[in-house]
Amino acid sequence: AQTVTQSQPEMSVQEAETVTLSCTYDTSENNYYLFWYKQPPSRQMILVIRQEAYKQQNATENRFSVNFQKAAKSFSLKISDSQLGDTAMYFCAFMTSGNTPLVFGKGTRLSVIA
Amino acid sequence: GAVVSQHPSWVICKSGTSVKIECRSLDFQATTMFWYRQFPKQSLMLMATSNEGSKATYEQGVEKDKFLINHASLTLSTLTVTSAHPEDSSFYICSAKNPGTGKNQPQHFGDGTRLSIL
Repeated sequence: AQTVTQSQPEMSVQEAETVTLSCTYDTSENNYYLFWYKQPPSRQMILVIRQEAYKQQNATENRFSVNFQKAAKSFSLKISDSQLGDTAMYFCAFMTSGNTPLVFGKGTRLSVIA
Repeated sequence: GAVVSQHPSWVICKSGTSVKIECRSLDFQATTMFWYRQFPKQSLMLMATSNEGSKATYEQGVEKDKFLINHASLTLSTLTVTSAHPEDSSFYICSAKNPGTGKNQPQHFGDGTRLSIL
């Protein structure tokens, strides 16, 4: 079974600064997909960024980037130039193939401080 | 715009009643949908996989007679919480993937249903 571990229950960052959220996972699969989701107080699940395991290049989406270390089974999220609107729960998630359920980590509550 | 619609968004009802939650894929056909439950300050936990035209697959510890899932069409899955009790109060959220998109495309989530049993 796959597991996803987020070891930081809560984090805070000053506005405009950079913060990194950690995520590790465990799997015996070789092909899989990794995601970071943001859940604001509205509780909507918003996709932040995704990474295919077969791609060595780290994914980036504007201020969001990942550090994907396949051998270490690590998938951290870096948020640059943090904004107040980034305040939310962030979930790391794992998926083995196209139509399988997501396995989520326990989440990290991020607070961006003005 | 939203590609997965979930209804209702919030329901409050008395203990012992049954509550039906709908999850619709708006512009694609979903042979598979997933139902998750999220307790306050916790993560999303998979409850069951809903399969169109066949029985749902439930995760260990989820009572299938308590949480009835019906996936009668390619665009609609329903979750019915039967004889709901206060401990069933939670946030329920569904997701579906457009099979016409690539393998790396993410699932689309509904906006969730906040269920409160008095």
